[in-house]
Amino acid sequence: GAVVSQHPSWVICKSGTSVKIECRSLDFQATTMFWYRQFPKQSLMLMATSNEGSKATYEQGVEKDKFLINHASLTLSTLTVTSAHPEDSSFYICSARGLVSGEQYFGPGTRLTVT
Amino acid sequence: GDSVTQMEGPVTLSEEAFLTINCTYTATGYPSLFWYVQYPGEGLQLLLKATKADDKGSNKGFEATYRKETTSFHLEKGSVQVSDSAVYFCALSGVTGGGNKLTFGTGTQLKVEL
Repeated sequence: GAVVSQHPSWVICKSGTSVKIECRSLDFQATTMFWYRQFPKQSLMLMATSNEGSKATYEQGVEKDKFLINHASLTLSTLTVTSAHPEDSSFYICSARGLVSGEQYFGPGTRLTVT
Repeated sequence: GDSVTQMEGPVTLSEEAFLTINCTYTATGYPSLFWYVQYPGEGLQLLLKATKADDKGSNKGFEATYRKETTSFHLEKGSVQVSDSAVYFCALSGVTGGGNKLTFGTGTQLKVEL
């Protein structure tokens, strides 16, 4: 139980285009989902916290207009990287906080490469 | 702000060797401490946790003790197996963000060889 999926697992896009990444909790409900970014050999950096039905809370230094987060249901959150540039290339990881357990369950991550 | 420092990898061990991965932290108050493991191609999984000083978290033969005096949470296992090969992340959940926010170390890759 407590499985979180991400789609796609990897994506290559051209500079200036937008990319949407989905995060789903498959067998539990999550009112809160988190989006992280991971650079090679560096720790996971929290980008934003999304709560179902309300606006996401972004960490300091994260551009909310560039990284659009939507948490439309208790099992789905999406991250859209708008007007992507090569510096946005990274590994994006989501997690979902279980309603009952309160524990964070992590997705396998999405590798984004912007050319 | 909160921060976590863990030893750099990769760490390469022979099967049945003793494992220690060091982790120290900086935080205000009394954070909860975690070890997560990431197997190849999978998401991070909670390995063990401790919520107060002197607590010992344990799971699958791994142990870590919350040491307030040394601000440490070192991960240990007495006899590693090839199947333990993975990346291990130390993390804390501090008082900021209502306890929801996890601050991670950089991760330590463990390779166990026959």
